[in-house]
Amino acid sequence: DQQVKQNSPSLSVQEGRISILNCDYTNSMFDYFLWYKKYPAEGPTFLISISSIKDKNEDGRFTVFLNKSAKHLSLHIVPSQPGDSAVYFCAASGVDFGNEKLTFGTGTRLTIIP
Amino acid sequence: GAVVSQHPSWVICKSGTSVKIECRSLDFQATTMFWYRQFPKQSLMLMATSNEGSKATYEQGVEKDKFLINHASLTLSTLTVTSAHPEDSSFYICSASIHPVVTFFGQGTRLTVV
Repeated sequence: DQQVKQNSPSLSVQEGRISILNCDYTNSMFDYFLWYKKYPAEGPTFLISISSIKDKNEDGRFTVFLNKSAKHLSLHIVPSQPGDSAVYFCAASGVDFGNEKLTFGTGTRLTIIP
Repeated sequence: GAVVSQHPSWVICKSGTSVKIECRSLDFQATTMFWYRQFPKQSLMLMATSNEGSKATYEQGVEKDKFLINHASLTLSTLTVTSAHPEDSSFYICSASIHPVVTFFGQGTRLTVV
């Protein structure tokens, strides 16, 4: 049972445009959400997070939006750069899951076209 | 910043042998570390939670006798894949936290069993 889902396995975006990566979750006990970026044969790198008490968090080119009623979050990258090409995982956690325990989505491969 | 080091980054072993993977937190103490496994084009699946000074907590479906976890100190956790078989070939990643939901990942270990 996949509790965190990323329904788009891949996404291609022109350099300079906005990249929007989506993530849905099913468990309402999740209360903290994170996005990670991963290159092949490397561990994930933390990008940005959001608590369930917020609906938006921004850090430079990265903005995460959370819609709790829809159990949906999205990562916006603008402007997209070639170095953003990677696999992006969303992850969820919560007090009932021991806080540090992360449940990952299946990932979306983002390709930025120069 | 906080760094988690994982070693080796890749290993090839013969079927039936055992392989040990180390995960170290270099500049902080981690009472809890996590071990993940990633199959090609799939999500990161949590295998077990490694607790310093006590037994690891394994996720459902993970064989504890096959994947031995030892967390002997606050900076080191090891995963030993015993009697490895080709189906154990995968990418293994460890992580450690210094804050409830901000996790740092190791570089990962590519295990190939021939």
